[in-house]
Amino acid sequence: SQQGEEDPQALSIQEGENATMNCSYKTSINNLQWYRQNSGRGLVHLILIRSNEREKHSGRLRVTLDTSKKSSSLLITASRAADTASYFCATETGANSKLTFGKGITLSVRP
Amino acid sequence: GAGVSQSPSNKVTEKGKDVELRCDPISGHTALYWYRQSLGQGLEFLIYFQGNSAPDKSGLPSDRFSAERTGGSVSTLTIQRTQQEDSAVYLCASSLWTEDNTQYFGPGTRLTVL
Repeated sequence: SQQGEEDPQALSIQEGENATMNCSYKTSINNLQWYRQNSGRGLVHLILIRSNEREKHSGRLRVTLDTSKKSSSLLITASRAADTASYFCATETGANSKLTFGKGITLSVRP
Repeated sequence: GAGVSQSPSNKVTEKGKDVELRCDPISGHTALYWYRQSLGQGLEFLIYFQGNSAPDKSGLPSDRFSAERTGGSVSTLTIQRTQQEDSAVYLCASSLWTEDNTQYFGPGTRLTVL
């Protein structure tokens, strides 16, 4: 079953604009992570937020977590063409730290 | 090495043949994970190793799939009697077994079964 589901499925914005991507999940989590994937190959870890945290920043990235709504959002500020990629949220649950990924959001940043 | 490496990067095989995919994790990472990603889809968990043992094999799609890890390092994923539906990108990740279990991914092996 799908644990993390992102929306929108696709997002197209102009360079310089902010991009907001959302993720919802179903069960209790240890933490929630966001990854980026370019050209359908390896994923790059962006940021992790623990279940007892509500907001975290890393450079142009801001992630929020609302455990009562079982949702998270990833904000990329001042987007660049190089931010064009697929973005996945992944939830870590249970004792084996297995990550369950959503289907991803395709972000296109137009120069 | 500096990151997770996988080989081969691309593999084309005929239906019915066996294939073996290799993953070299980051040195010192005790946990190793295999995922599969079909075209336009998210990642599907296959199996993970803690050291050389595999506590969770729940994601392996059938008994044609097996994996092993030796010396707490290199892992191989073997697919026997490949089928066309096995075509996908197979991704490996490794991590330190810590509270914040960030996984570091390799570039993947793109498998095409004709």
